[in-house]
Amino acid sequence: ELKVEQNPLFLSMQEGKNYTIYCNYSTTSDRLYWYRQDPGKSLESLFVLLSNGAVKQEGRLMASLDTKARLSTLHITAAVHDLSATYFCAVDTTNSGYALNFGKGTSLLVTP
Amino acid sequence: NAGVTQTPKFRILKIGQSMTLQCTQDMNHNYMYWYRQDPGMGLKLIYYSVGAGITDKGEVPNGYNVSRSTTEDFPLRLELAAPSQTSVYFCASRRSGNEKLFFGSGTQLSVL
Repeated sequence: ELKVEQNPLFLSMQEGKNYTIYCNYSTTSDRLYWYRQDPGKSLESLFVLLSNGAVKQEGRLMASLDTKARLSTLHITAAVHDLSATYFCAVDTTNSGYALNFGKGTSLLVTP
Repeated sequence: NAGVTQTPKFRILKIGQSMTLQCTQDMNHNYMYWYRQDPGMGLKLIYYSVGAGITDKGEVPNGYNVSRSTTEDFPLRLELAAPSQTSVYFCASRRSGNEKLFFGSGTQLSVL
């Protein structure tokens, strides 16, 4: 059974600080996805990582993938309040019609 | 493009009632999915479809049924609603196995 674990599950950080969210998964996969969800809203795609060593950046967020370690990171640089949201990582299943298997999410709160 | 459209956005059911959650996409995606999201639990796959006429069970299919008569539509049927089905339901679609998942806006369902 594919397991996707995120940590931390809750994160409160001050504006201007840096932090990293970790996503570990239990099976071989070279495809990993990051999503953002605002309260009461749907999920918005942030990054699609398709190979070992892939790195993608968008604004203050940078995601990377190490398929050998089965680890992806989402790094937040100089956090701002607008980044407050829940962040999910997800991995392709090899069956189930390529459904994504999601972690439980990291709830991020950026405070002044 | 409208993307993935779900209706209704909110619904309250009494125990034992039935209803259908509608989902349609206009992106000509073959792969479609139904997930449920419970607080702190991430997203769980209910059913998926890899094309018109082809559906299969996901991780938590009990109490639900689906059909896929066209590429565009993937309705989710709840029979004999139970309080355990209180959740937020998301429909999603994707073009292929290495592309991002597009989500609908979600349906918040309460069974009382």
